[in-house]
Amino acid sequence: DTAVSQTPKYLVTQMGNDKSIKCEQNLGHDTMYWYKQDSKKFLKIMFSYNNKELIINETVPNRFSPKSPDKAHLNLHINSLELGDSAVYFCASSQDGLAKYNEQFFGPGTRLTVL
Amino acid sequence: DQQVKQNSPSLSVQEGRISILNCDYTNSMFDYFLWYKKYPAEGPTFLISISSIKDKNEDGRFTVFLNKSAKHLSLHIVPSQPGDSAVYFCAASVSYDKVIFGPGTSLSVIP
Repeated sequence: DTAVSQTPKYLVTQMGNDKSIKCEQNLGHDTMYWYKQDSKKFLKIMFSYNNKELIINETVPNRFSPKSPDKAHLNLHINSLELGDSAVYFCASSQDGLAKYNEQFFGPGTRLTVL
Repeated sequence: DQQVKQNSPSLSVQEGRISILNCDYTNSMFDYFLWYKKYPAEGPTFLISISSIKDKNEDGRFTVFLNKSAKHLSLHIVPSQPGDSAVYFCAASVSYDKVIFGPGTSLSVIP
């Protein structure tokens, strides 16, 4: 009965590889997010989708491409992985995109290590 | 440019006493503030929020105070319990825009 799930939980890979992280929410929410928590522990938003439509796209290298096949899923594909991509990536969802009314529900995170 | 700051990386409090976690922000346009709690190897979970039209919001042992003129908010936990030991993130947003998180404060409640 997990609300927001991510797979895999851990991902270790070599520089230059392409990898994907999957996210699913069973809360019926309209909006989903990807956050990156870097080594300084800041949680920074990368992308936000509302009903499969991209609404927030921060200054993220275009090696990162989100894909939303339906409003319950938001996957993150990363091409040509670099050392600096090592971080914990969190998926989240909310009822809609308005922070004023809706808190976000986070997944458990995916720890990505690029060697 | 850190718009949301939590200047204390860590805080230790005795069980039963009050925990006060502080947060400062720079963007006067922020109109909604949230606190999230995070245990190791888990995602953050929502704790409490406050709109800029209020100066206090209370939920059980948790109270958030907002001082708009000082651009400062604080989270009070009374009484503190060992299960409150976690990292607490302050977050802020402008309506219809993204949420900006602070770097977090690690709270340890000592039994």
